[in-house]
Amino acid sequence: EVQLVESGGGLVQPGRSLRLSCAASGFTFDDYAMHWVRQAPGKGLEWVSGINWNSGSIGYADSVKGRFTISRDNAKNSLYLQMNSLRAEDTALYYCAKDKDSHSSGWYDYWGQGTLVTVSS
Amino acid sequence: QSVLTQSPSASGTPGQRVTISCSGSSSNIGSNYVYWYQQLPGTAPKLLIYSNDQRPSGVPDRFSGSKSGTSASLAISGLRSEDEADYYCAAWDDSLSGAFGGGTKLTVL
Repeated sequence: EVQLVESGGGLVQPGRSLRLSCAASGFTFDDYAMHWVRQAPGKGLEWVSGINWNSGSIGYADSVKGRFTISRDNAKNSLYLQMNSLRAEDTALYYCAKDKDSHSSGWYDYWGQGTLVTVSS
Repeated sequence: QSVLTQSPSASGTPGQRVTISCSGSSSNIGSNYVYWYQQLPGTAPKLLIYSNDQRPSGVPDRFSGSKSGTSASLAISGLRSEDEADYYCAAWDDSLSGAFGGGTKLTVL
């Protein structure tokens, strides 16, 4: 059974940093691209970042480019999101999502339950 | 402002057929597959339709998808109360980024 478990969320002040993690199990992690998708309270889904199977191709939404860094450790079956210079508008539930392909395709076949990030003073 | 455009709401009575539309551009829907996700209240999104019109196993055949040019649509026939949820279209964009619609809240009257 595929499982994606996010962690690392919490309350953080504007301008500070936070690192999210996603622990994957139930599939061959290094065969697939992975993504972070967020959802602000009461709002829709927003793609944040994606990384292909070997970290050779990485993309970011314009809203986080230069502030967030996605990475993966295939030996640990884990996906990460380093979030720096956080803003109030980054407040959201952050989902880890598995791609169906080894390269990013937008086909998110499994999702975690999300970890909540609140940016507030 | 979402990359893909969806009507914010839709509604129907049990048994009816409803259609949810999604509009994009040549760099996303026009050149890549469309996916649809269902998000029930308080839960993570779930894949409903992939590759424009394919259903994952376990998704009832009441749900169907289609695509034409830079637009796509999701149809739900034989509407049931448990279909009340938010529905999102998605596509990959040639700028190497993901694109979602703003979501359509479906109400079963």
